[in-house]
Amino acid sequence: GAVVSQHPSWVICKSGTSVKIECRSLDFQATTMFWYRQFPKQSLMLMATSNEGSKATYEQGVEKDKFLINHASLTLSTLTVTSAHPEDSSFYICSARRTGGISEAFFGQGTRLTVV
Amino acid sequence: KQEVTQIPAALSVPEGENLVLNCSFTDSAIYNLQWFRQDPGKGLTSLLLIQSSQREQTSGRLNASLDKSSGRSTLYIAASQPGDSATYLCAVRRVAGNMLTFGGGTRLMVKP
Repeated sequence: GAVVSQHPSWVICKSGTSVKIECRSLDFQATTMFWYRQFPKQSLMLMATSNEGSKATYEQGVEKDKFLINHASLTLSTLTVTSAHPEDSSFYICSARRTGGISEAFFGQGTRLTVV
Repeated sequence: KQEVTQIPAALSVPEGENLVLNCSFTDSAIYNLQWFRQDPGKGLTSLLLIQSSQREQTSGRLNASLDKSSGRSTLYIAASQPGDSATYLCAVRRVAGNMLTFGGGTRLMVKP
């Protein structure tokens, strides 16, 4: 299967600072990547769809000024949590789908964000 | 709006048992359905992908079926092992659009 690498796997930051999470498709090109958030013992909730070379599409209720998404190339999307607060602490997971192909989704290993 | 439900939410079985995890969805207009495995604190590993035109997919001890008209999919795990302990998630992709809608997951514990 295709490999999606997410970095960092965990991060602790102070309230008010910004944190950037990277999502890379290592062996395929991904026109579209997806960012999810997962609370403990809950399922994944889609935050936004990241499209290469254009603006991300955010789901209802997700603050686009707080969760900045950049998809500058076919292999890299970044999620920046700006002015982080403790309630932003969560598990963030990215997903990438091959350009073309059978549309199977591949996921990164996730990033555990803790805001103190 | 598509809703995906997984039953049971948690399951504990002794090693060696065959088991079935259920997934149901409200809108049958799906493009495909995917089963994932998630270990604690980890990302998702794709197990099986079933296209809307397919009835089932098999990989090793895993078999997933799809009945699109009734909005159901099952994941069958044969001869369960302690290493199968994880959360299993099903997700459907809409015909229009690229997003996946996830079920709540089934937390499986296989006891030695």
